[in-house]
Amino acid sequence: AQSVTQPDIHITVSEGASLELRCNYSYGATPYLFWYVQSPGQGLQLLLKYFSGDTLVQGIKGFEAEFKRSQSSFNLRKPSVHWSDAAEYFCAVGITNDYKLSFGAGTTVTVRA
Amino acid sequence: DAEITQSPRHKITETGRQVTLACHQTWNHNNMFWYRQDLGHGLRLIHYSYGVQDTNKGEVSDGYSVSRSNTEDLPLTLESAASSQTSVYFCASRDDGTDTQYFGPGTRLTVL
Repeated sequence: AQSVTQPDIHITVSEGASLELRCNYSYGATPYLFWYVQSPGQGLQLLLKYFSGDTLVQGIKGFEAEFKRSQSSFNLRKPSVHWSDAAEYFCAVGITNDYKLSFGAGTTVTVRA
Repeated sequence: DAEITQSPRHKITETGRQVTLACHQTWNHNNMFWYRQDLGHGLRLIHYSYGVQDTNKGEVSDGYSVSRSNTEDLPLTLESAASSQTSVYFCASRDDGTDTQYFGPGTRLTVL
């Protein structure tokens, strides 16, 4: 079965600084990869996804992620963080012909002024 | 606009009571899912359905059941609530065209 690891439980970043959130997956073939964001008290919103093709994918809110097959990683990045980016971020993996998703434990991002 | 809704948004119940959480989507998606969210665990799959009359167990299904009598609804029932089922519950439905799951706003359940 596939699994997802988000090594960082909590990250604090200054407003305007860059942000990188790590995600590693375990799966034998190329998975479907997703990043979701959850603002306090809210549901999950899709930031971006990777299925195939260009390994650098662009998402909403200025986020991007890069799929690296050799490292089994799908790290999320943003060049300049805004205070509104404070939230919890989840990486998820799905596999072909199986519609279920496996989620990482999440990374909480705090933005300081 | 099409959407996915959950009710109630907050629920407090007592140990041993039966509780049903509602999930309703207006996208006409075939695939629907229930997850629970707990600190340190992310989201874990409870049950899922790929269509009317189809239900399947996820990784944490003990103590939960679902039914799918129509496309729009997938209610989640806790047969006899336990304190270990205190959690935030999310329903999701999947768009076949984009292979993407969309989530409801969640239900916070407290079992005393």
